[in-house]
Amino acid sequence: DAGITQSPRHKVTETGTPVTLRCHQTENHRYMYWYRQDPGHGLRLIHYSYGVKDTDKGEVSDGYSVSRSKTEDFLLTLESATSSQTSVYFCAISRDTLYEQYFGPGTRLTVT
Amino acid sequence: QKEVEQDPGPLSVPEGAIVSLNCTYSNSAFQYFMWYRQYSRKGPELLMYTYSSGNKEDGRFTAQVDKSSKYISLFIRDSQPSDSATYLCAMSVIQGAQKLVFGQGTRLTINP
Repeated sequence: DAGITQSPRHKVTETGTPVTLRCHQTENHRYMYWYRQDPGHGLRLIHYSYGVKDTDKGEVSDGYSVSRSKTEDFLLTLESATSSQTSVYFCAISRDTLYEQYFGPGTRLTVT
Repeated sequence: QKEVEQDPGPLSVPEGAIVSLNCTYSNSAFQYFMWYRQYSRKGPELLMYTYSSGNKEDGRFTAQVDKSSKYISLFIRDSQPSDSATYLCAMSVIQGAQKLVFGQGTRLTINP
């Protein structure tokens, strides 16, 4: 695996609570991405970052915020978790070419 | 209508068979075409990518792009049980976007 870790790997939380997922890379890649994967929808981009403090929205950004204060860390925050945000969340990184994205192991989030 | 359509399967074939996996798309601006493989409970990994139209071969895998029909294929020759995974197609426009659009994935099982 590329040097990507995600934490936590599993989390169960209650509706209305804030949740932060962390992606950490050791590859010094410029681009970092957060996706969610759901049956029937495949992978959908939530937010991405093209540098420290530089982020942009993806296809399904509502209800999510991100921050990147260091090259190696990209945080995804659910301000007030809802059951519709139950999903598997993947972080990905790429050096500069869009298509060569390397994915982390995923975080399985359940919102009850 | 989704930008990228992929039959979710499941697809089950005997070992040694030739497997054909397909995606159709609606956005004629797509120029980069990729196939990712995802083993159960793992992150996707890039298998092949193709720019514009044509074929690309890598060992037992061949990727084909037919832009006139908006149709891409991945062929697996001499399929092995280790090829059992979910295969996702992904696409992007050539410039200005750091966003991949994924199909929902086809679950493939190769039976010994």
